[in-house]
Amino acid sequence: DADVTQTPRNRITKTGKRIMLECSQTKGHDRMYWYRQDPGLGLRLIYYSFDVKDINKGEISDGYSVSRQAQAKFSLSLESAIPNQTALYFCATRDPRASTDTQYFGPGTRLTVL
Amino acid sequence: AQSVAQPEDQVNVAEGNPLTVKCTYSVSGNPYLFWYVQYPNRGLQFLLKYITGDNLVKGSYGFEAEFNKSQTSFHLKKPSALVSDSALYFCAVRDYNYGQNFVFGPGTRLSVLP
Repeated sequence: DADVTQTPRNRITKTGKRIMLECSQTKGHDRMYWYRQDPGLGLRLIYYSFDVKDINKGEISDGYSVSRQAQAKFSLSLESAIPNQTALYFCATRDPRASTDTQYFGPGTRLTVL
Repeated sequence: AQSVAQPEDQVNVAEGNPLTVKCTYSVSGNPYLFWYVQYPNRGLQFLLKYITGDNLVKGSYGFEAEFNKSQTSFHLKKPSALVSDSALYFCAVRDYNYGQNFVFGPGTRLSVLP
C-alpha cells in the first residue's frame, strides 16, 4: 500500500552494527506498529504507538528501540544487530475509528544480519 | 492470552476447485477475527473481518469466511480457486475486551495449480 512506505526495502549489515528502519504514512492514522515476520511464526509485534507520546513494547521488544518523530513517522532501531534479527520487518498503521478497523501494512524491509 | 493456530503450512488446490484455509483461535473475551493475504514482496492486505452478526462474512476477491463459535474457528473459503489466489494467508484475532492489538497466526501458503 503506497500510503505506508518503508525504507530501506533491503539491507544487509554485520553483527554489532546499529541499524534504523524507517516508516512513513500518509493515512493520517494515530496508531503505528512494527512487526517482524519469520517463516512459520507469522507476524510478531515489536513495538506499537498510539500517538507521538504513547509508545509501548510488544511481544518481542528486546534488542529493539523505536522513535515516533511525528504522527506520520515511526522508526525502528536495532542498537547492536545480531544474526537472529534477520527477518522481514513490517510497519503498519490503524485507525480504530474506521469501520474496517483493520491495519494497513507497508511493503516490508528485508534485513539480513551477517 | 490470545492465540491463533493455522494447522496447515501449505494448501494445494486445483484451479476451479473450492478452497478452504483453516484457522482456530483462543481468546478470553469476544473475538474480532481477520484474514489477510500477502503476495510476494508485498505487505499484508486486508481480506475480511468478523466482529458480530452473520457468521458468514464476505470479503475481497470472492473470499468468504465462516465463524463458528463452538469450534472457535474462522475458516477462509472460496468456491472456485484462481491461480492468482496463490499467496500466503494469515488469520488474526483481536480480543476486544483485553487489548487493542492483533495476534497473527503462522500463515498458510496456498498454491493453486493450473
